[in-house]
Amino acid sequence: EAQVTQNPRYLITVTGKKLTVTCSQNMNHEYMSWYRQDPGLGLRQIYYSMNVEVTDKGDVPEGYKVSRKEKRNFPLILESPSPNQTSLYFCASSPRLAGGSWYEQYFGPGTRLTVT
Amino acid sequence: KQEVTQIPAALSVPEGENLVLNCSFTDSAIYNLQWFRQDPGKGLTSLLLIQSSQREQTSGRLNASLDKSSGRSTLYIAASQPGDSATYLCAVLDNYGQNFVFGPGTRLSALP
Repeated sequence: EAQVTQNPRYLITVTGKKLTVTCSQNMNHEYMSWYRQDPGLGLRQIYYSMNVEVTDKGDVPEGYKVSRKEKRNFPLILESPSPNQTSLYFCASSPRLAGGSWYEQYFGPGTRLTVT
Repeated sequence: KQEVTQIPAALSVPEGENLVLNCSFTDSAIYNLQWFRQDPGKGLTSLLLIQSSQREQTSGRLNASLDKSSGRSTLYIAASQPGDSATYLCAVLDNYGQNFVFGPGTRLSALP
């Protein structure tokens, strides 16, 4: 089944304890992206990657890191989490069209992170 | 910087009615626009995608239109059903072809 998977689905952690949220897709998509969703603020892009070893900042990259060593995986790293990073996080992937644009995004199920 | 808005923020309709959701964007130089559905606490499900060269897309009871020059898209839902209750989001791929920008969503309640 074609899908985007995220782990863990739920995470409660303490301030300053490094954590990684994994994202994996089995559709051979070039484009992958991380979003956070907060009440009243909607979905905001954190980082995106257009292919292996190519990553760029989105609208809210502060406090996050990403890597794209393999096409299928795009982990989100919080080196020193803080309470303001408590949020619902989504990973997404898209295939590339022949003309260079991106096709529709496929989303993972989300990771609910609480930082105390 | 691209900004996306959606009106109304919330909408209640009786079962069987037709309805229209609106999405506006500030920069008309977009690559595509996508409509999603999100159920409470769940992920996003893609409904329709319109490429910048297209004017509309249809899937079942859903029809999405795109007017790039005016920076608008509408999602038309025919004969609403209680199962349509969800939040509907639109997202545009901005003029650089790299960033997806989302609207805040419209929360739809389709009443039985």
